[in-house]
Amino acid sequence: QVQLVESGGGVVQPGGSLRLSCDASGFIFSNFGMHWVRQAPGKGLEWVAFIRFDGYNIHYADSVKGRFIISRDNSKDTLFLQMNSLRPEDTAVYYCAKDSQQAMDYWGQGTLLTVSS
Amino acid sequence: AIRMTQSPSSFSASTGDRVTITCRASQGINSHLAWYQQEPGKAPKPLIYGASNLQSGVPSRFSGSGSGSEYTLTITSVQSEDFATYYCQQYYTYPMYTFGQGTKLEIK
Repeated sequence: QVQLVESGGGVVQPGGSLRLSCDASGFIFSNFGMHWVRQAPGKGLEWVAFIRFDGYNIHYADSVKGRFIISRDNSKDTLFLQMNSLRPEDTAVYYCAKDSQQAMDYWGQGTLLTVSS
Repeated sequence: AIRMTQSPSSFSASTGDRVTITCRASQGINSHLAWYQQEPGKAPKPLIYGASNLQSGVPSRFSGSGSGSEYTLTITSVQSEDFATYYCQQYYTYPMYTFGQGTKLEIK
């Protein structure tokens, strides 16, 4: 069965950096685009970034453009999100999700990032 | 950017009620719309894609409809496990998706 497992969350000071990982299994990872979606405490869902199956055709939300970098290692079935210049408003649960071109059909359980001094 | 607006933001219903949630896009999205259900502390679960197609395993009491810029999610007879928050999401601007703000369905 499809499994997505995020890791790497934690507490970071404003201006700091952190890298999230998402380990995928149960499907041919290199055939599918992947997304990062976040949810601030008590708030709704916000799409963050997308990367195509081959690592090209990358897109970011305006709120993270220039600060976050999405990447993938298809040899290890792993998705990454490098987050730099972190701000308190980046505090959220970060989910990775598999793309189906019509929705995000599988989601991980999420990893919590807290940006605070 | 396409804005998605859900209504209501929250409401109460009783088990067995028929419930409808509306999602309006700031422009036509040609049925490129998905719905998700999220229980507290859990990841969103996909319910519907293409405005009206149920994801595998989703109970038939859920249905979606709409066209252009206005869409609805209907639950014909709400069950206890359906009390959750529901989100619509457009993929007209694939792969840059946007979500509605969510609709919280609570027990009356």
